[in-house]
Parts: sequence; structure tokens; C-alpha cells
Amino acid sequence: AQTVTQSQPEMSVQEAETVTLSCTYDTSENNYYLFWYKQPPSRQMILVIRQEAYKQQNATENRFSVNFQKAAKSFSLKISDSQLGDTAMYFCAFMKSPRETSGSRLTFGEGTQLTVNP
Amino acid sequence: ETGVTQSPTHLIKTRGQQVTLRCSSQSGHNTVSWYQQALGQGPQFIFQYYREEENGRGNFPPRFSGLQFPNYSSELNVNALELDDSALYLCASSPRDSSYEQYFGPGTRLTVT
Repeated sequence: AQTVTQSQPEMSVQEAETVTLSCTYDTSENNYYLFWYKQPPSRQMILVIRQEAYKQQNATENRFSVNFQKAAKSFSLKISDSQLGDTAMYFCAFMKSPRETSGSRLTFGEGTQLTVNP
Repeated sequence: ETGVTQSPTHLIKTRGQQVTLRCSSQSGHNTVSWYQQALGQGPQFIFQYYREEENGRGNFPPRFSGLQFPNYSSELNVNALELDDSALYLCASSPRDSSYEQYFGPGTRLTVT
């Protein structure tokens, strides 16, 4: 079974500064996907960024980037130029490569509550 | 393009009752997944539906069941409600050719008293 661990229950950052959220995972799979999702108070889970395990290049989406260390099973999220709207719960999630018989399920960590202060 | 919608937004049930939650998938998506998110925790996978059949199930008892309809919408049914079933229930839809992409609805908040 896969597990995802987020060791930082809460973090805060000043507006315009940079913050890094940590995530580690455990799996015996070689092909998989990793995700960061954002859940604001509205509860809607929003995809922030995705990383395919077979890609060595770290994914980037505008102000969001990841540091994917496959051997260390580490997947951190860096948010640059933090904005007030980034305040939310952030979840790291793992998915085995989708299969016909078992579908495609996300395994989530416990989340990190990020607060961006003005 | 319409996103994933869920109904109702909130509901309150009594222990022992039965509940049905509904989800309409995003246009062009034919796979639906359901997750349970207890307060202060990450979502837990309940099951997934593809072509109207269950296609993967998490560690949930049989009193959690589901349906998928020809238009790819879905229902989650929970029988014999327990207090611990109180949670946010999230539905996510994905296209079959890229089922790693899951787009979530706003959720249904269920309170069992």
C-alpha cells in the first residue's frame, strides 16, 4: 500500500515571499504520478501541479514548482511570490499508473494549512 | 464547459438512516471517483465507476455503494449511517484516456446525528 506523509500541519508566509511545503511518500511502484492539490475554505479541491515519475525534469506551473527526488521519495512544492489567495489547505497526493482492473485512485496526505499574511 | 457538480450541498441525517449523494461529471468525462474527507484529514478513496461498473474500491464496508448512469453521472449510497460517516464527500470525474486527471466537485457535507 502507498502512504503519503506531510510533516508540516501548518505554515505561514508573508505576501510576496517564497515558501516550500514538504511531502514524502512510500511505494514499491516504479510508474506513478504525484500531485499537489489546493483546498481553500470553499472546499473545492483544485489541482495545482502534477509530476510524472518517469520524467526527471521538475514540473512548473507559473509561481508553483516542485522538487521531485525519486530515490528519496520526496516531492516538495515551492510557491514563489506568495499571494493572499494562496491561503488554503494543500494536499500532496499519489497515484499508481492507472490500470484497467483497479482504476486510478488518489492517496492523499494529511495536508498542510498555508496562511499568507499581508 | 460545465464542471463537476454535486448535490445536495449539505444534509443532516440520523444514525441508522440511508442517504444518497449525487454527482454530475464534467462534460466529456466518463469516469467518476468518490472520496470521503473527515474533518481535518485528507480525502480517502471510496470507489470509482467506469462504464457503469465499479472499477476499484477502497477500504470501505459494503454499506457504501454506488451507481453510474449512461450519462456518466453517479450516485453514492450509504446505508445504516453511523456517526463516523459525518464528513465531506467529494466526487471527481476524469476522462478515460487520461484518468490520472481528476477534477473535483465542491463536495457534499454530511452530518450524522
